[in-house]
Amino acid sequence: AQKITQTQPGMFVQEKEAVTLDCTYDTSDPSYGLFWYKQPSSGEMIFLIYQGSYDQQNATEGRYSLNFQKARKSANLVISASQLGDSAMYFCAMRGVLTGGGNKLTFGTGTQLKVEL
Amino acid sequence: DGGITQSPKYLFRKEGQNVTLSCEQNLNHDAMYWYRQDPGQGLRLIYYSQIVNDFQKGDIAEGYSVSREKKESFPLTVTSAQKNPTAFYLCASTEQPNTEAFFGQGTRLTVV
Repeated sequence: AQKITQTQPGMFVQEKEAVTLDCTYDTSDPSYGLFWYKQPSSGEMIFLIYQGSYDQQNATEGRYSLNFQKARKSANLVISASQLGDSAMYFCAMRGVLTGGGNKLTFGTGTQLKVEL
Repeated sequence: DGGITQSPKYLFRKEGQNVTLSCEQNLNHDAMYWYRQDPGQGLRLIYYSQIVNDFQKGDIAEGYSVSREKKESFPLTVTSAQKNPTAFYLCASTEQPNTEAFFGQGTRLTVV
């Protein structure tokens, strides 16, 4: 079974500062993928960044980077130069194989980020 | 623009009623999924479909049913057997197994 753990229910960060959102995972699959999604108050899930388990380098997408430490089973999201629009719920997710074939995403419980002036 | 459309955005159901949530995608994705989100929790998989006319139960399928008669459409019916249906429901699709899932805007279902 796969599990994603996000231990920070809420975080505050000042505008223009960097913030790290923690994510640890557990899986017995040798091949897996890790995702981060942003969920604003409107409810839609917005894909931010992806890291494959065999990727040699940490993923980056603009102000988002993923600090992937495979031995520690962690995949922390780093947001640089925080903006007020970054205030949202952030979910870490892992791609897993379904019994009937195909894939599913297993989600953590999320971290509510609030960016302050 | 390509994307996933869920309707309605808000839905109210009386006790004992069945309701159907709509999910339509024009991304030409084969795989579609339904997730449920409760406050303070992550998303949990209800049902998924890899191809037309085929679907499988997810982690919390009891009290729900789906159909996949067309590639673009994957409606979810919340039946009266679902004891606690009040939640936020999200539909998603993927092109390939290793790519990200695209989500709709969600439907907020409330039992009154």
